[in-house]
Amino acid sequence: AQRVTQPEKLLSVFKGAPVELKCNYSYSGSPELFWYVQYSRQRLQLLLRHISRESIKGFTADLNKGETSFHLKKPFAQEEDSAMYYCALRPGAQKLVFGQGTRLTINP
Amino acid sequence: EAEVAQSPRYKITEKSQAVAFWCDPISGHATLYWYRQILGQGPELLVQFQDESVVDDSQLPKDRFSAERLKGVDSTLKIQPAELGDSAMYLCASSWGTGAYEQYFGPGTRLTVT
Repeated sequence: AQRVTQPEKLLSVFKGAPVELKCNYSYSGSPELFWYVQYSRQRLQLLLRHISRESIKGFTADLNKGETSFHLKKPFAQEEDSAMYYCALRPGAQKLVFGQGTRLTINP
Repeated sequence: EAEVAQSPRYKITEKSQAVAFWCDPISGHATLYWYRQILGQGPELLVQFQDESVVDDSQLPKDRFSAERLKGVDSTLKIQPAELGDSAMYLCASSWGTGAYEQYFGPGTRLTVT
């Protein structure tokens, strides 16, 4: 079965420190992977997708098929990065499968 | 900027009662999704519409949940009868189509069943 695992429910780092939010997936085919973010009192929104290979708000994520991972990284955290982050998998052209989410807190 | 609208934002109901949620997608979006998000978990797809047709309702508890999108625009999700375990956030999302199109989410309806 397709599954997304985000091992950290909570992650707290200091402003200016590097951030890495972990995401592992299980899927035997070629996956589409996404990171969604939900800021306080805002809607869930797409942050980035692996096929775009872009940096959004300083965040990047690299798909590692060997390790079945899609970790989200940012070299220097900012206070406005505090939010709930969800990794999601779309196996084939099917529905999105979300992980449980990681609440990121950036301390001043 | 166009957004997905949902109402009500909050709903408290007693178990065994009926409850309904409404979603108005972004104009022109053919695909509409209903998700359920239990506290501490990620969203889980309940039902997906392409225009007025259901394309995936494999996770919809059909004994008590129903969903419709009669004219291929707005949609209603109903629960009858509600159970304590139905307490959750119900999210609606829409996209131009299936596949690679980005999904845009509504603010959600938080349901509490007492």
